[in-house]
Amino acid sequence: QKEVEQNSGPLSVPEGAIASLNCTYSDRVSQSFFWYRQYSGKSPELIMSIYSNGDKEDGRFTAQLNKASQYVSLLIRDSQPSDSATYLCAVPRGVTGGGNKLTFGTGTQLKVEL
Amino acid sequence: DAGVIQSPRHEVTEMGQEVTLRCKPISGHNSLFWYRQTMMRGLELLIYFNNNVPIDDSGMPEDRFSAKMPNASFSTLKIQPSEPRDSAVYFCASRRDRAVYGYTFGSGTRLTVV
Repeated sequence: QKEVEQNSGPLSVPEGAIASLNCTYSDRVSQSFFWYRQYSGKSPELIMSIYSNGDKEDGRFTAQLNKASQYVSLLIRDSQPSDSATYLCAVPRGVTGGGNKLTFGTGTQLKVEL
Repeated sequence: DAGVIQSPRHEVTEMGQEVTLRCKPISGHNSLFWYRQTMMRGLELLIYFNNNVPIDDSGMPEDRFSAKMPNASFSTLKIQPSEPRDSAVYFCASRRDRAVYGYTFGSGTRLTVV
């Protein structure tokens, strides 16, 4: 099993819809989780972090964490064409889950269509 | 804050040549990471430094790769000799220890070995 798994997509949603991006991880002791957005030809950019079970909202973005299921998701409400990018899930490595190294999933490509 | 600065942005070299990639982390960040990104393998951690000391180089693919961090504001990744399969985007990222946020990435160096 890969340490961090994501569907590669592409995930296509119409403008204004909710985009749902999913990620599963293998290290049960992981405590923090990050979502990065990467536009084509650009570097990854941190958009959300979550540490506790439940939901965390920031503008149009909501991160959801379920540690029992080892599952983290990112919802994008009112999707815009400018949201079209690859979204990377990242989890720290380490026995305590607070390790200094981030392991990235391969990313899900999101396309928001007009 | 100028962010993480990488140079060069693009590098085209012939097989067998030496390649040196450079990185200046954000001032005050004491962890530095080198990642490689390809379509097939996604983002892979090559090596990371903490307080200028290499902590984990298990991701360095082979002896042709080496990395140094002579001071807190500068790091290099060297490939000698380079091979076509080294073609990828190489990212440098930095982080302040015990920060609750993830890394900040540089703009990357796109390396093409012909």
